[in-house]
Amino acid sequence: DAKTTQPNSMESNEEEPVHLPCNHSTISGTDYIHWYRQLPSQGPEYVIHGLTSNVNNRMASLAIAEDRKSSTLILHRATLRDAAVYYCILRGGSQGNLIFGKGTKLSVKP
Amino acid sequence: ETGVTQSPTHLIKTRGQQVTLRCSSQSGHNTVSWYQQALGQGPQFIFQYYREEENGRGNFPPRFSGLQFPNYSSELNVNALELDDSALYLCASRHQPPPPGQGETQYFGPGTRLLVL
Repeated sequence: DAKTTQPNSMESNEEEPVHLPCNHSTISGTDYIHWYRQLPSQGPEYVIHGLTSNVNNRMASLAIAEDRKSSTLILHRATLRDAAVYYCILRGGSQGNLIFGKGTKLSVKP
Repeated sequence: ETGVTQSPTHLIKTRGQQVTLRCSSQSGHNTVSWYQQALGQGPQFIFQYYREEENGRGNFPPRFSGLQFPNYSSELNVNALELDDSALYLCASRHQPPPPGQGETQYFGPGTRLLVL
């Protein structure tokens, strides 16, 4: 299964944009890029996913590099409630299960 | 809110005991997966059930077993508990095949925190 690399932690100020990077140099042509986040004391929560084109939804934007070897999750205006661990996941395992790494712990300062 | 619920929220057991954790899937979802999350780590896949049959398993021993019921609720059973089984246990549900555009999106419950003493 393809692996992803994320920074262990990042900090942001409230109401500023946040760019969370993810490297996935061994991505295959059919791998979707998924992002989940886990708030303290909660289960993971789906954020966004994409294949080739940039994607936007009410929570975030996903920018995918042209060669698909990296992607960036963009939170346009960070709030205190966005403080969480963010996981970049290439695709499910052979059964469609999610393969999590350690993710990026995002701290948001008021 | 994902519509996935788990019980109990917290549990304390002693080494060697057995435990059953429960999960109620989001309405209409026919697939449930269970994950174990140790402190400071990402969730690790235990197994998956589709229409009451196990159809995938991670690197966990046979003392981890499960059931999925006709109403798509499910259980995770762990026998002969060990100290290292202390973790947050998460279930996640989805529908297979996925609705158009949803890919493999999974909906997680809040988890059960298990402590083995």
